[in-house]
Amino acid sequence: NAGVTQTPKFQVLKTGQSMTLQCAQDMNHEYMSWYRQDPGMGLRLIHYSVGAGITDQGEVPNGYNVSRSTTEDFPLRLLSAAPSQTSVYFCASSYSTGARTEAFFGQGTRLTVV
Amino acid sequence: DAKTTQPPSMDCAEGRAANLPCNHSTISGNEYVYWYRQIHSQGPQYIIHGLKNNETNEMASLIITEDRKSSTLILPHATLRDTAVYYCIVSPISNFGNEKLTFGTGTRLTIIP
Repeated sequence: NAGVTQTPKFQVLKTGQSMTLQCAQDMNHEYMSWYRQDPGMGLRLIHYSVGAGITDQGEVPNGYNVSRSTTEDFPLRLLSAAPSQTSVYFCASSYSTGARTEAFFGQGTRLTVV
Repeated sequence: DAKTTQPPSMDCAEGRAANLPCNHSTISGNEYVYWYRQIHSQGPQYIIHGLKNNETNEMASLIITEDRKSSTLILPHATLRDTAVYYCIVSPISNFGNEKLTFGTGTRLTIIP
């Protein structure tokens, strides 16, 4: 049981390049989310999904696309990288029952756009 | 549009109880209080949550005032590994899946040896 796995851990992109940040979870969680964290700040929600085939925008969605074709995977695509997208990206998965819920976070992808 | 207010930093002696306050004066009746922490730039970790009753688990206790306008997270016997940024988050019942969490800047707790 690996939890939430993000790849790659580090990435350097040139302005204008595109790439996909991978996120996979093996806990059969229905909910998944992507956040970014800039220095000295809290996490901000980019996109989220409440189940396979269902995605929605969060607080800062511009410049990012997502899809959720399976329960396990929730990739984040940067369409045309900009220096303002330099950040640490966290993927999370979560579940809910009648009495308990919690989100599990990956270890992050540190992205630098030059 | 901050929904919670936390002190930016706190210190606590190792072995003592760490009490982290959070003000959420505009909380509505259908909103939970969640606490997460982030250790040294790792992904955040869930600690505890509550609606109106006090809650306790293996990690911490959560005390919510009767009017629900503030709460306190208590780490009963702080260790050096509890040094982290602690986030108090208010989230509606409709987000019980925790897929849409709104993080503020949190409280940086430093445990002093």
